[in-house]
Amino acid sequence: KAGVTQTPRYLIKTRGQQVTLSCSPISGHRSVSWYQQTPGQGLQFLFEYFSETQRNKGNFPGRFSGRQFSNSRSEMNVSTLELGDSALYLCASSFVPGQGAYSSYEQYFGPGTRLTVT
Amino acid sequence: EDKVVQSPLSLVVHEGDTVTLNCSYEVTNFRSLLWYKQEKKAPTFLFMLTSSGIEKKSGRLSSILDKKELFSILNITATQTGDSAVYLCAVIRGGSNYKLTFGKGTLLTVNP
Repeated sequence: KAGVTQTPRYLIKTRGQQVTLSCSPISGHRSVSWYQQTPGQGLQFLFEYFSETQRNKGNFPGRFSGRQFSNSRSEMNVSTLELGDSALYLCASSFVPGQGAYSSYEQYFGPGTRLTVT
Repeated sequence: EDKVVQSPLSLVVHEGDTVTLNCSYEVTNFRSLLWYKQEKKAPTFLFMLTSSGIEKKSGRLSSILDKKELFSILNITATQTGDSAVYLCAVIRGGSNYKLTFGKGTLLTVNP
């Protein structure tokens, strides 16, 4: 099975711009989670989507949004970029969490998108 | 707010040493605890622990969970330079809130 893919791998934007990141989960995985990773804060949960619905959201401002399509692919959007948004954005997919199969809580991460805001 | 604290933050050892990494947590409606290894790329899954006292083992790595004291340890025996990485611990809530909370990780450096 192909792993989780994320595009683009690297991105440089300037303050005030917006950016859209894409994530394709492992085939058959319906849950997609997004994380921001920075040296100071570590891995922080942004949101999780399942069947095109956002089921959970972390403590990030409304400038961070996402969506999921019917094929489980997900996009994350950040508007009005700030310097502090520079980070590695990781996407992770899992099978069908919450359905009683403990193994479905295993998350498989993509390689990430390295966003630099100048 | 859920909290995951890993210690030590960093560790330097020599090949062949045994290391123990710690993860303590405070989470509402705890479901499971996961360990990941992150080198210069995406985290890779190591273990998921749900029940207390049951050791999970994979080669030289093993992990155990104590739900009474709210912590887990990850042991690596006979360390190799390839074990150098950041080791991340995360907890999952139960119920309909599927959310992983990660610790800040332990940076392990194994010198030859």
